[in-house]
Amino acid sequence: SQQGEEDPQALSIQEGENATMNCSYKTSINNLQWYRQNSGRGLVHLILIRSNEREKHSGRLRVTLDTSKKSSSLLITASRAADTASYFCATDENTGTASKLTFGTGTRLQVTL
Amino acid sequence: NAGVTQTPKFQVLKTGQSMTLQCAQDMNHEYMSWYRQDPGMGLRLIHYSVGAGITDQGEVPNGYNVSRSTTEDFPLRLLSAAPSQTSVYFCASSYSSWSASYNEQFFGPGTRLTVL
Repeated sequence: SQQGEEDPQALSIQEGENATMNCSYKTSINNLQWYRQNSGRGLVHLILIRSNEREKHSGRLRVTLDTSKKSSSLLITASRAADTASYFCATDENTGTASKLTFGTGTRLQVTL
Repeated sequence: NAGVTQTPKFQVLKTGQSMTLQCAQDMNHEYMSWYRQDPGMGLRLIHYSVGAGITDQGEVPNGYNVSRSTTEDFPLRLLSAAPSQTSVYFCASSYSSWSASYNEQFFGPGTRLTVL
């Protein structure tokens, strides 16, 4: 079953604008990760935030985590055409031996010039 | 480092045929996994391995077999292909075996499989 659910499903913005996408999940987690997927390519890791962290930055990326609301957001500031991609959140489902990552359905971001 | 490699890039099968999707990594990662990606479904975990000789089922294991005889390789076998297995398949690896979620996953470029 899908644990992380991204919102919106699709987002279109102009270059220079900020893009915000959200991820909601159902059960408690240890960590949440965000990945980017360019069309026809594999996923690339962007950032990992632990359950005891509230905010994390990496370059133009800002991720927040609200465990009380079971949600996370990914903010891309000053977007560029090269940011056009699908973005996925991934959460863990602890099995005891190793955790399984569960991916959401993704947000498709289109950045136009 | 080549990272995670997958072969073939594209494959067309007829219903009932068998084949093996290859996955290899040269980063000495303990954890390897297979996902399938379908439109509107995100990625779903098929099987994973926490080290050589150890495999376990993911969310959608039916119709697929795996083995892990070496640290580097993690092939995915389709014993009798069905149209429902038409999908894009991704292999991923990460450093630590004990928890995928604590570690960045490195993905291969994918194999696009069509079953007629």
